[in-house]
Amino acid sequence: GQQVMQIPQYQHVQEGEDFTTYCNSSTTLSNIQWYKQRPGGHPVFLIQLVKSGEVKKQKRLTFQFGEAKKNSSLHITATQTTDVGTYFCAHPRGNLIFGKGTKLSVKP
Amino acid sequence: EAQVTQNPRYLITVTGKKLTVTCSQNMNHEYMSWYRQDPGLGLRQIYYSMNVEVTDKGDVPEGYKVSRKEKRNFPLILESPSPNQTSLYFCASSLWVFHNEQFFGPGTRLTVL
Repeated sequence: GQQVMQIPQYQHVQEGEDFTTYCNSSTTLSNIQWYKQRPGGHPVFLIQLVKSGEVKKQKRLTFQFGEAKKNSSLHITATQTTDVGTYFCAHPRGNLIFGKGTKLSVKP
Repeated sequence: EAQVTQNPRYLITVTGKKLTVTCSQNMNHEYMSWYRQDPGLGLRQIYYSMNVEVTDKGDVPEGYKVSRKEKRNFPLILESPSPNQTSLYFCASSLWVFHNEQFFGPGTRLTVL
């Protein structure tokens, strides 16, 4: 089925460094969602992007949707230990397809 | 409080013993779904339902059954569990699948011996 490829699979950063995860598709996406799952927790919705070239910000988090609507990124500026977790992108296709996620660890 | 609840949260069972994991939401959502999460494989959808009495297979439906007799409930049934169904299961709901956030339950950790 239609998949979204998410990279990197893991990212280890020093607290204060920036972090970016990417989500790529071979086909055009109608929209894309981002979720965060803390260790031991459940996925929690962060945001949805719908428009080509859309950029949205939530405090230190910046989300982008590519012009061709085939890729998306999540960038965290100046990571904190509270950012630890796995970040997933997801897109609807009748059902909802999730990327495999990027696991972020932050060293204090 | 708006939420998705799952029961049980933890379950250890044996091969072949039928089990049901319940899922309930109090948000009057149309769409409900079940996912399993395994290391390195991410979240994979098992079944989903767009409304009462309407269910469809997701990406990994083999060995599972679901029903949607009421809007709020979407139980996951394992008729004859096997060890390869050991996993972390999440139920989720949304107002509608498109352009809507998914609300996830707390998860059910299932071990099949």
